Amino acid sequence: NAGVTQTPKFQVLKTGQSMTLQCAQDMNHEYMSWYRQDPGMGLRLIHYSVGAGITDQGEVPNGYNVSRSTTEDFPLRLLSAAPSQTSVYFCAISGDFPPYEQYFGPGTRLTVT
Amino acid sequence: AQKITQTQPGMFVQEKEAVTLDCTYDTSDPSYGLFWYKQPSSGEMIFLIYQGSYDQQNATEGRYSLNFQKARKSANLVISASQLGDSAMYFCAMRETNDMRFGAGTRLTVKP
Repeated sequence: NAGVTQTPKFQVLKTGQSMTLQCAQDMNHEYMSWYRQDPGMGLRLIHYSVGAGITDQGEVPNGYNVSRSTTEDFPLRLLSAAPSQTSVYFCAISGDFPPYEQYFGPGTRLTVT
Repeated sequence: AQKITQTQPGMFVQEKEAVTLDCTYDTSDPSYGLFWYKQPSSGEMIFLIYQGSYDQQNATEGRYSLNFQKARKSANLVISASQLGDSAMYFCAMRETNDMRFGAGTRLTVKP
């Protein structure tokens, strides 16, 4: 997890609340991404960014917003939390050249009641 | 459509033996990358190995090797000389441009 930090580690929300998951890196990589991991489903890409000011949707973007104003930070916003968003969320950064290995943050365990 | 398929929910291997974890993928893009990650019970994701679609040779990293069969669209992970610390979930993943897809994973248990 060197180089990628995520906060908070745990969070409980009530349905309808909003919150922001923070992700920061100190490796100066352009590519940053957010995933969710649900039991039995592996990781699914929510949003990604290839540099400051550039973001795009992944496989499961609904209910989430992102922005990238700096190279270092890539926050994920839940607009109106739903129980279906209960999951573990990972932020990752990727090298800009092969092997494009991804470094993952430690994850945020989110529960929506 | 499922882009990455891992057909083995769970595998067992004896310590010091070799084990192969299966992965098949689906893409029409000629340029893509294939990855394997390990997730121990502690939850962190650890990069293991990468294979580019244009790479002529199979990738190797220490005890890990990727058996890349492009025509069959398979990218199996081979772990040689299994150790107890290899017990974990293993995920295969594919990157097309900036899109990344993961398989559902295989839980490997190494028996002493």
